[in-house]
Amino acid sequence: GGIITQTPKFLIGQEGQKLTLKCQQNFNHDTMYWYRQDSGKGLRLIYYSITENDLQKGDLSEGYDASREKKSSFSLTVTSAQKNEMAVFLCASSMAGRGEQYFGPGTRLTVL
Amino acid sequence: GDSVTQKQGQVTLSEDDFLFINCTYSTTTYPTLLWYVQYLGQGPQLLLKVTTANNKGISRGFEATYDKGTTSFHLQKASVQESDSAVYFCALGASSGSWQLIFGSGTQLTVMP
Repeated sequence: GGIITQTPKFLIGQEGQKLTLKCQQNFNHDTMYWYRQDSGKGLRLIYYSITENDLQKGDLSEGYDASREKKSSFSLTVTSAQKNEMAVFLCASSMAGRGEQYFGPGTRLTVL
Repeated sequence: GDSVTQKQGQVTLSEDDFLFINCTYSTTTYPTLLWYVQYLGQGPQLLLKVTTANNKGISRGFEATYDKGTTSFHLQKASVQESDSAVYFCALGASSGSWQLIFGSGTQLTVMP
């Protein structure tokens, strides 16, 4: 088994601030993902990375940057935090060619 | 494009009731179909997965059958417990080379004691 760790668990920032969320996995999975989950809603894909140094945009990439520093870690940057993007940000990983993704516990973003 | 539809936003049941959550999908490829469960304050957890048409996935008393004819993957449980209260997501993984899962909008299940 493995685990996905997301830091921080809670992130509070000011409007317009640049904020970074981090994700680590020890599954040795190739592919990693960032999703945004608004309150009571489904999951929307922000970015994913098929392998180290690869980046692919999802449907919600505007306003975000991502970085796959190494196989085990994937960071997401909110370039200019806005109040309408207060949500839970979920990181996930999967083995290449397999359908299932495994999720971390999430980072809850609050923008003041 | 590929899509997943979960029309039931909320379901409220009593303990020992039968659970049925509707999920339909649309794709032109050979899909993998999944159900995830998300408990309050946690990330989604994989509940079950089916990759072959007309096969059934079973886990923790939940079951879902990949019905290619009706393009459905409904989730069922014979007798729910209060501990099953959570949000349930249906998801579609297409085999076209895409690395993405398409998630339904989720169904909030509340089980009353």
